[in-house]
Amino acid sequence: QKEVEQNSGPLSVPEGAIASLNCTYSDRGSQSFFWYRQYSGKSPELIMSIYSNGDKEDGRFTAQLNKASQYVSLLIRDSQPSDSATYLCAVKGAAGNKLTFGGGTRVLVKP
Amino acid sequence: GAGVSQSPSNKVTEKGKDVELRCDPISGHTALYWYRQSLGQGLEFLIYFQGNSAPDKSGLPSDRFSAERTGGSVSTLTIQRTQQEDSAVYLCASAASLNEQFFGPGTRLTVL
Repeated sequence: QKEVEQNSGPLSVPEGAIASLNCTYSDRGSQSFFWYRQYSGKSPELIMSIYSNGDKEDGRFTAQLNKASQYVSLLIRDSQPSDSATYLCAVKGAAGNKLTFGGGTRVLVKP
Repeated sequence: GAGVSQSPSNKVTEKGKDVELRCDPISGHTALYWYRQSLGQGLEFLIYFQGNSAPDKSGLPSDRFSAERTGGSVSTLTIQRTQQEDSAVYLCASAASLNEQFFGPGTRLTVL
């Protein structure tokens, strides 16, 4: 079992719709969770961080964390073609400071 | 302020040669990380620095890989006797605290 799992996609959504991305992790002691966006040929860009159970909203993005279920999600509201990218879920485990990344979900927003 | 910078942006080398990759973190960031990203392998951790010390080297794939950080700032990742499987994008990230990490543009290494 991978430490951080994501559906590879592609997740195809029409412009203006909500894109819902999911991520599960295996280290129950993990405390810090991050979503990165990566455009093709570019490096990852941090878009959200979440540390407590519940929802955290930033503009069109909402991150949701459920530590009991070891599950973190990202919602993108009013999806735009510019949101088309690969979204990486990253988890900092209970021990150490490194990030463990999921394989990423590719999102395609169609006009 | 300026973000994380890395050089070179691209490096093509021959198998068996040594290469040095450089990372200049965001000013004031005490934590520095090296990752690499290769097709089909995702993004994997290599090494972490806090100041000039490296408390976690667990991701270095072999003893051909080494890294140092001087003055709590610039870091160099060295790969000796490069192999074709070393071809990847090498990414550096820095953090002010032990949480949010910001990535540089990466160095694309191609070993022929």
